[in-house]
Amino acid sequence: DGGITQSPKYLFRKEGQNVTLSCEQNLNHDAMYWYRQDPGQGLRLIYYSQIVNDFQKGDIAEGYSVSREKKESFPLTVTSAQKNPTAFYLCASTLKGRAREKLFFGSGTQLSVL
Amino acid sequence: DQQVKQNSPSLSVQEGRISILNCDYTNSMFDYFLWYKKYPAEGPTFLISISSIKDKNEDGRFTVFLNKSAKHLSLHIVPSQPGDSAVYFCAASARETSGSRLTFGEGTQLTVNP
Repeated sequence: DGGITQSPKYLFRKEGQNVTLSCEQNLNHDAMYWYRQDPGQGLRLIYYSQIVNDFQKGDIAEGYSVSREKKESFPLTVTSAQKNPTAFYLCASTLKGRAREKLFFGSGTQLSVL
Repeated sequence: DQQVKQNSPSLSVQEGRISILNCDYTNSMFDYFLWYKKYPAEGPTFLISISSIKDKNEDGRFTVFLNKSAKHLSLHIVPSQPGDSAVYFCAASARETSGSRLTFGEGTQLTVNP
């Protein structure tokens, strides 16, 4: 079955530590996205990529970094510069990154600070 | 600046009755709207969408209404079932130039009581 796999499901970060969230898709989609969900807030876009080796900042990119070396993979690194990293992180993809395409989401990673 | 707002954090209805979830937007460039459903610890899944050239779209028990002059849309679920209990997100996209980027509302927790 095609889909988006996020790992790990739960992740804990110590102060000053960088952590990387994995996102892999086998849908053959060109575009991939990272969203953050906080309680009582909508999903906010962190970064997105419409093609391999290219990505753009979303609305809340500060303290995060990404790479897109392969079409299937779009890992997100939460750096120590992100002062409030506790949130539910969602990876998503669309076929071509064009308007009106539906987002397909992974099952998410809950990141907490120790 | 919250461009998509869902003013009701929660809604509780009886099984078999109608559920009405509301969403308001401020950006007049938005021309495509979607509803996503999310269960705890899972990613959102697409439910129904509507283009700004329409004022209604129906899919089984789910109907979305769009009032462009009021910048308001609503999702009707008839009849409501206990399995519909989830968080519902309204989302919007602007015209072609923004690709498939979506702006999400805060979500409404729907509880359908047996």
